[in-house]
Amino acid sequence: DVKVTQSSRYLVKRTGEKVFLECVQDMDHENMFWYRQDPGLGLRLIYFSYDVKMKEKGDIPEGYSVSREKKERFSLILESASTNQTSMYLCASSFYGPLHFGNGTRLTVT
Amino acid sequence: SQQGEEDPQALSIQEGENATMNCSYKTSINNLQWYRQNSGRGLVHLILIRSNEREKHSGRLRVTLDTSKKSSSLLITASRAADTASYFCATVNFGNEKLTFGTGTRLTIIP
Repeated sequence: DVKVTQSSRYLVKRTGEKVFLECVQDMDHENMFWYRQDPGLGLRLIYFSYDVKMKEKGDIPEGYSVSREKKERFSLILESASTNQTSMYLCASSFYGPLHFGNGTRLTVT
Repeated sequence: SQQGEEDPQALSIQEGENATMNCSYKTSINNLQWYRQNSGRGLVHLILIRSNEREKHSGRLRVTLDTSKKSSSLLITASRAADTASYFCATVNFGNEKLTFGTGTRLTIIP
């Protein structure tokens, strides 16, 4: 079975901090994705990557950046966390088909 | 932007009954996928239906796709308490692997 591991289940950060959310997949998948999930808004795509060192903006990239230095690892970076970035963050990977999701990181910015 | 819109937003039924959820979308798609999310967890893929398919089955799940109406439905037969979860549809356009999700249907099965 594919395993997608997100480094933290819960995270509390202060406004203005730089925040790193890490995601690792163990199935050599080409594609990796970062979504955020908010009540009433569903899942919204922040960034995705088709290959190492490649990245593409999703629907809501503002305030975020990503890094993919190795195929199995896709990091989401909040350069200067703000309270409106409090959310559930979901990482996923795929090989041209269904997405495999991690269990999510619930981030609270105070 | 939201591509898929699920209907209803919430649904409660008795155990053993069938549950039907609908998804509408706006643009032409390559395929449509359904996912389940248990409370506070990640999403789990249920079924994928391609644009040239009309119906697909997987165990107690049946998915239909009507590309002329830009809509899909997910039917869960003989529901169980363990089916309590949120269900999302997601669409994939031609030319990329980006999934666009709807806002989901919250399904509650009453024992």
